[in-house]
Amino acid sequence: GQNIDQPTEMTATEGAIVQINCTYQTSGFNGLFWYQQHAGEAPTFLSYNVLDGLEEKGRFSSFLSRSKGYSYLLLKELQMKDSASYLCAVLEGGYNKLIFGAGTRLAVHP
Amino acid sequence: EAQVTQNPRYLITVTGKKLTVTCSQNMNHEYMSWYRQDPGLGLRQIYYSMNVEVTDKGDVPEGYKVSRKEKRNFPLILESPSPNQTSLYFCASSYNGRSAGQYFGAGTRLSVL
Repeated sequence: GQNIDQPTEMTATEGAIVQINCTYQTSGFNGLFWYQQHAGEAPTFLSYNVLDGLEEKGRFSSFLSRSKGYSYLLLKELQMKDSASYLCAVLEGGYNKLIFGAGTRLAVHP
Repeated sequence: EAQVTQNPRYLITVTGKKLTVTCSQNMNHEYMSWYRQDPGLGLRQIYYSMNVEVTDKGDVPEGYKVSRKEKRNFPLILESPSPNQTSLYFCASSYNGRSAGQYFGAGTRLSVL
């Protein structure tokens, strides 16, 4: 079957670093996405990983280990506007189906 | 401006009354998809389309239909809506449905009474 797990909620302090983990078991693998979704808004694309390793984009980085079925999103120098839900999604192999985790709600406090 | 436009944004209807939610993108994207989002369940894919006249089922296609007659449009049709289809619906598009991230519409909040 297919399963994507991420923590339901996390809290962090402004200026700090936070790591949001995602583990997955899916029918094949064609890449992993991270999306950000503010309350009441549509998701927006953050990153895509298909090879093992770390991809850095400004304050956000995403890591993938295909052998472990594991990814994380790293947010540095947290700002209040980073308070949002972060969605991990896996593109299944052989299809173009995108399977989403339930999302991690991050609250950034002053 | 690059965008995905869904209409309507809000809809209240009754059980069994056919409805269509429209979705249009202006980026010449090949891939389009519909999702529903429910509390605690996250986004679940209903249908997707790799190109004109090519559609396929996602994880939760029961009770829904789609069509892709033109590249820019991908309407979602509920032939006989039921209360368990009350949800927040998102349409999305991307260049290739693989490495390219998806652009999402603003969402349609549907209530079926």
